[in-house]
Order: sequence, then structure tokens, then C-alpha cells
Amino acid sequence: DGGITQSPKYLFRKEGQNVTLSCEQNLNHDAMYWYRQDPGQGLRLIYYSQIVNDFQKGDIAEGYSVSREKKESFPLTVTSAQKNPTAFYLCASRGIAGTRVENEQFFGPGTRLTVL
Amino acid sequence: GDSVTQMEGPVTLSEEAFLTINCTYTATGYPSLFWYVQYPGEGLQLLLKATKADDKGSNKGFEATYRKETTSFHLEKGSVQVSDSAVYFCALSFNTGNQFYFGTGTSLTVIP
Repeated sequence: DGGITQSPKYLFRKEGQNVTLSCEQNLNHDAMYWYRQDPGQGLRLIYYSQIVNDFQKGDIAEGYSVSREKKESFPLTVTSAQKNPTAFYLCASRGIAGTRVENEQFFGPGTRLTVL
Repeated sequence: GDSVTQMEGPVTLSEEAFLTINCTYTATGYPSLFWYVQYPGEGLQLLLKATKADDKGSNKGFEATYRKETTSFHLEKGSVQVSDSAVYFCALSFNTGNQFYFGTGTSLTVIP
């Protein structure tokens, strides 16, 4: 089955440590996204990538970094510069242009990061 | 700019009640409109969508009609079940560009 996987589901880190969240997809999608969700709030865009080796900042990129070395993978690093990193992080991809799902986003199950 | 505004929650209904969650949008151009559902501790799942004016999206008893004249895409279900308890997000996107715009989500709790 095609889809998006995120690991781990729960992640605990000490304050001041960098941490990398994994996102992998086997849908052959070009565009991938990272969102942050805080309790009772909507989604805020952190970064997105349209193709390999290219990515753009979203609305709240400060304190985060990404890479896109492979089409299937879009890892997010939460750095120590992120002032309040405890949140639920969602990875998504966009359906292929020219297909029935071209405007849809497909989401992974999320990673809940808690910084102690 | 482009945006989505949806009804604030939380919403609590008894089983078999009628559900409406309001969603309006602001967009330059002709977006596609979506409703996503998020169950506790999970990612978002597409519930239904509509890609042009007057289209009706439907799935699992939920419906929403793309109303260009009122820039709305209200979600409705005639008889909710306990299993419908979740957070519902209205969203829009365009054929061009890569941004998606989400509402803030509406939490629904259905009690037996």
C-alpha cells in the first residue's frame, strides 16, 4: 500500500538538543510538506519542497531545517534555536499534477515531540 | 490573501443529530475545496472534496456543496454517530502553486 510514514510516533528530547523527524513516502509525489499542530489549533506550515534538492520556508520556519536529497524522503530537524518545540508534527505530500488527486494532500500519522 | 474561516468549536451533539460545520473562504481565482478529518493522535484524512462551483462532495454520509456565490463549503451530515467524533478541517488549494490553506479546525464530540 502506498502512503506516508513518519517515525517515531512519540519522541522525547532534552532542551537544547537537535532532533530529526523522519518522513518517507512511496507515492511518487514530488511536493512534500511539514506542518506543526499545537493543541486546539490548526496547521502551520514549516517548510515545503516541490522537487528534490529544493525547498522553501513556510510561515514558521525559524528554528527548523530540512533536506530533500531523495524524492521519497523529507526529514525535518528541530534545532535548539526553536523556542517552543513541543508539538505534533505532520508530514504531507501532494498528489501528482494531471491526476485525479492533483490538488489533494496526503498526510502521515504524525510525530508527537515533547521537549523536557 | 487566500484564507479559510470555519466555525469554531467545540461542537457537542447527541447521536443521530444533524450536523453542520460552516466554512467560508477567500480566494483569488478558483480553488478546489476540501474537508479533512483528524481522529485523536492521528494525521489528517481526506473526507471529501469539490473542484468547481456547484460540485457536491460526499463520503460516509457527509456532504458539502461548493457555493461560489456565497464562497462557502459547509459540511453536513444528517445523522451523526459516536464514531464521527473528531476534528474537522476545511481547506483550499489551487491547481497552480503549492500552498494549501487550512481552517483552524472544529472539534466534534458525539455523545450516545
